Amino acid sequence: EAGVTQFPSHSVIEKGQTVTLRCDPISGHDNLYWYRRVMGKEIKFLLHFVKESKQDESGMPNNRFLAERTGGTYSTLKVQPAELEDSGVYFCASSQITGGGNTIYFGEGSWLTVV
Amino acid sequence: SQKIEQNSEALNIQEGKTATLTCNYTNYSPAYLQWYRQDPGRGPVFLLLIRENEKEKRKERLKVTFDTTLKQSLFHITASQPADSATYLCALSYTGRRALTFGSGTRLQVQP
Repeated sequence: EAGVTQFPSHSVIEKGQTVTLRCDPISGHDNLYWYRRVMGKEIKFLLHFVKESKQDESGMPNNRFLAERTGGTYSTLKVQPAELEDSGVYFCASSQITGGGNTIYFGEGSWLTVV
Repeated sequence: SQKIEQNSEALNIQEGKTATLTCNYTNYSPAYLQWYRQDPGRGPVFLLLIRENEKEKRKERLKVTFDTTLKQSLFHITASQPADSATYLCALSYTGRRALTFGSGTRLQVQP
């Protein structure tokens, strides 16, 4: 069974450009999460989808970030326009819809460098 | 806001010994506390989850304890192996909210 896959694995863009990250969760997982780790900091929650609905987007840093999950399958995270402080690794994760404490599976991350 | 403290210094131990990693948190106790392993350039991998009403959980060579009075979790790896070398992350979550709050992780180095 395929795990959580993320694309691209690495991206280098200039300040002011747009980048779109994609995440394919494990098949059948209704919960999809985005996290990110910026240099020297801990991994921070961005948002949580249940199917196509945003359940919790309290971690989104500002309106330059837009996440979508049309159809409740894959998700995209767009950063527009990108700023230097957006550099870091963006992790996607997924889990089944069960009671609390279910196992969360992470992808390998999309490494973003804004220059 | 909730803060999680993990020892930022690397833990170096000899193969075969037991590694013990600490996770301390402030404020209110989480409903769930999880431990993840992360290798360089990879995503976190789930290891163990313990609920607030549980004191201890085991899985093979791994053991997690959870003390809500001390606001602390200990993560043990017995009979450690060089392959256990990695960064170990503690993460908390609360009832009604799936978001995880991560600690910064502790790097474990097991010497052969």
